[in-house]
Amino acid sequence: QVQLQESGPGLVKPSETLSLTCTVSSGSISSYYWSWIRQPPGKGLEWIGYVDNSGTTNYNPSLQSRVTISVDTSKNQFFLILSSVTAADTAMYFCARRGYKSYYYYMDVWGKGTTVTVSS
Amino acid sequence: DIQMTQSPSSLSASVGDRVTITCRASQSISSYLNWYQQKPGKAPNLLIYAASSLQSGVPSRFSGSGSGTDFTLIISCLQPEDFATYYCQQSYSPPLTFGGGTKVEIK
Repeated sequence: QVQLQESGPGLVKPSETLSLTCTVSSGSISSYYWSWIRQPPGKGLEWIGYVDNSGTTNYNPSLQSRVTISVDTSKNQFFLILSSVTAADTAMYFCARRGYKSYYYYMDVWGKGTTVTVSS
Repeated sequence: DIQMTQSPSSLSASVGDRVTITCRASQSISSYLNWYQQKPGKAPNLLIYAASSLQSGVPSRFSGSGSGTDFTLIISCLQPEDFATYYCQQSYSPPLTFGGGTKVEIK
């Protein structure tokens, strides 16, 4: 079945840019939307945004000014860029597939997550 | 944004207990409500979608109900592997939002 794997630097300096990749394997990136979600240590889940296979995006307004999500269908990958990071961006970052049945949407396949620490 | 409020934030229960977790939306979301289970250090796992539909492979002791603003997740007979944190999430409109979580601990 389809699997997701996050990759990217585990340590980012304050004010710099966080860049993560999610690689989709054993399935196509087409026909689905793909999300990024994060979870600060000991806290709950926060949806960052999603992208579809044509590159159409939707972002959380709380992060919209700093976030870009994109897709490369030829590589079966999608990406997260978060600029001007601070310690508040320290979190586990998950990528996930938005599955659907009729008009109901849900995140049914998740990567294992990657820890990103913002520190000098 | 639609705010999702879960209660309780934590509970202690024994194996075999019936456990009920509630989730309230700040506005009507019809049945666009999902439930996830998360164990420490792991990604969330989808349990229920569309408020009451059981995801494939999820044990039938899990069930969901509700519509509009009030929703419930029930674990009918708690098993050792069910000790985890549970989150509700609305998919009615972006930004997608999660409840604060309910941690189910061993009594």
